[in-house]
Amino acid sequence: AQSVAQPEDQVNVAEGNPLTVKCTYSVSGNPYLFWYVQYPNRGLQFLLKYITGDNLVKGSYGFEAEFNKSQTSFHLKKPSALVSDSALYFCAVRDQTGANNLFFGTGTRLTVIP
Amino acid sequence: GAGVSQSPSNKVTEKGKDVELRCDPISGHTALYWYRQSLGQGLEFLIYFQGNSAPDKSGLPSDRFSAERTGGSVSTLTIQRTQQEDSAVYLCASSLTSGDQETQYFGPGTRLLVL
Repeated sequence: AQSVAQPEDQVNVAEGNPLTVKCTYSVSGNPYLFWYVQYPNRGLQFLLKYITGDNLVKGSYGFEAEFNKSQTSFHLKKPSALVSDSALYFCAVRDQTGANNLFFGTGTRLTVIP
Repeated sequence: GAGVSQSPSNKVTEKGKDVELRCDPISGHTALYWYRQSLGQGLEFLIYFQGNSAPDKSGLPSDRFSAERTGGSVSTLTIQRTQQEDSAVYLCASSLTSGDQETQYFGPGTRLLVL
């Protein structure tokens, strides 16, 4: 069985500071991991994914994520936060046991304070 | 290029009525997914289509929910005899194939409110 945990419902960070949004996972096979962002009244926008290879994955809007197999984590990071980064962030893992759908975490609301 | 589109963007209906939600996937994408995003439930998978194969309905919450995909493209999610607990945002996603490594691209969603 697979699961995704986003332990923080809310993250606040000052503009210009580095940000981290945490995600841990549990899968029975190879982990295929994704980050999506949702702005108010919008659908989910793809940020980045880890399939294989380098543990540091770079994505859209300056975001990156680090895959850590030993800690089963896939934390989202950005060196310098912007106010426009304020949104709801979802970590997801591919369900390889059935329909190959995405299994989502509960989401983390990021607020960047000017 | 054009992304996934959904219609209507908002739908208000009365309890007991049927509703149809439409999804136009990205052209050429063979895999199509429906998800539901509701308060307290997060994002949950509903149903999956791959090409002309029979859909995977394992996520549908009740037999009031059904979906079709015509010609391997447009999909319609139908909810019969709507209940207040059906109120949610219904998201459609498509991907080039159903492979593990494929990225799913989401539409803007249909916000359903059942009164």
